[in-house]
Parts: sequence; structure tokens; C-alpha cells
Amino acid sequence: GAGVSQTPSNKVTEKGKYVELRCDPISGHTALYWYRQSLGQGPEFLIYFQGTGAADDSGLPNDRFFAVRPEGSVSTLKIQRTERGDSAMYLCASSLRAISYNEQFFGPGTRLTVL
Amino acid sequence: EDQVTQSPEALRLQEGESSSLNCSYTVSGLRGLFWYRQDPGKGPEFLFTLYSAGEEKEKERLKATLTKKESFLHITAPKPEDSATYLCAVPNPEARGGSNYKLTFGKGTLLTVNP
Repeated sequence: GAGVSQTPSNKVTEKGKYVELRCDPISGHTALYWYRQSLGQGPEFLIYFQGTGAADDSGLPNDRFFAVRPEGSVSTLKIQRTERGDSAMYLCASSLRAISYNEQFFGPGTRLTVL
Repeated sequence: EDQVTQSPEALRLQEGESSSLNCSYTVSGLRGLFWYRQDPGKGPEFLFTLYSAGEEKEKERLKATLTKKESFLHITAPKPEDSATYLCAVPNPEARGGSNYKLTFGKGTLLTVNP
């Protein structure tokens, strides 16, 4: 079956602009996650959705970052007033449920570059 | 305080030269340890889940083992196509409700296998 998909694969924007990154999880997966990965680092947790609601957004770095999942499937990560420090790979993952031992499956990522 | 430490940071092997990668963790009450493979510019690809100390999992030339303090990823007779960054992750104990959604990743080991 189809895996997690993310669009766009690459996004170049200018400092101060607004961007949206989209994630389409594996069909039937109720849990969805966003991570951010900087060069040479492991992915860092941003936010977790169970269904339509954000169950934990403690990893979002500040209020310029926001994510939604209105129908419990596709999710959009929104970044306002982008800064050069936001440049990173943004990864989306999904799992059947967010219970112990449940594997998370990642998408190909969106490489964001803020000039 | 790092919860997951991977070593070495980089490893260069000749084709056929077996070796091991290490992942040590400090979280208590471990609820699974996950290994991923990541190719440059791609999202992490799930490899293994280890549930409890003493468990072993195998896939082709890879074998993952788990003790109470660390996990090893053994690579037997590697081939150039095994070149990638290998990441390990554990559920963050700060995750609400004790679930495993909030993975904490190590920085990874960059493996290069020369022909």
C-alpha cells in the first residue's frame, strides 16, 4: 500500500514569508506526528495528533508554528514569518495508534530553505 | 541530558567487513526501542522494534539486540548498498499518558561501506 506522502519535497522561501507543508498519512492510521531534523541531528518531535486534535504540541518551538488536521487524515504544518533558523527537513510520520511499541512510519520529508 | 547516544558517529567499512553500531539510552521503564535507516535527503525507514531486554531481531544482513542499557545493530558482511545513517529512538517518558508517540532519537551513525 501507499506510504506517508509529503508535499512539496522542497520549499525555498524568503525570510518573513508564510509556508504550508502537507502530510498525507498511511490510510487507516489515526496517529500523525511532525518532526524536524537539522543536518547531522536526529529528528526532533514537534507535534502529535490523535484523530483531529493535537494531543501534544509541546515540541513546537514558538507560536509561529501551527499545525492542523481538520478531518483526521491530511495534516498541514504552517509556519508564519519564517526565519533562517527554520531551515531544516520537516518529517511527517503516522502509526495505527500511539500506544506502546507502535511503529511510526515516516514520509520522505520536506526540505525547507529560508533565504 | 541526552537520553539516547549513538556511537560511533561515523563508521567506514570495507565490503564484507562485519561490525556493530551502538545505541545507549538512559530512560527508565523502556517501552520499546526502534531502529531506522535513513538515506541522504530521505525520511527514516523503519527497520526493527525491540520490546524487551534479551530480544533479537534479524533482517537480511542486520541483527538488532537489546540489553537493559543499550542496543546493538550488528551488520554482517555488509555491502555498499547498506551505506546509510542508522538511527535509534526510544519513547520519551514525558509523553502524556505513557504512550510512545514522542520518540527521542539519537544523532545516528553514518555508515559507509566501500566496495
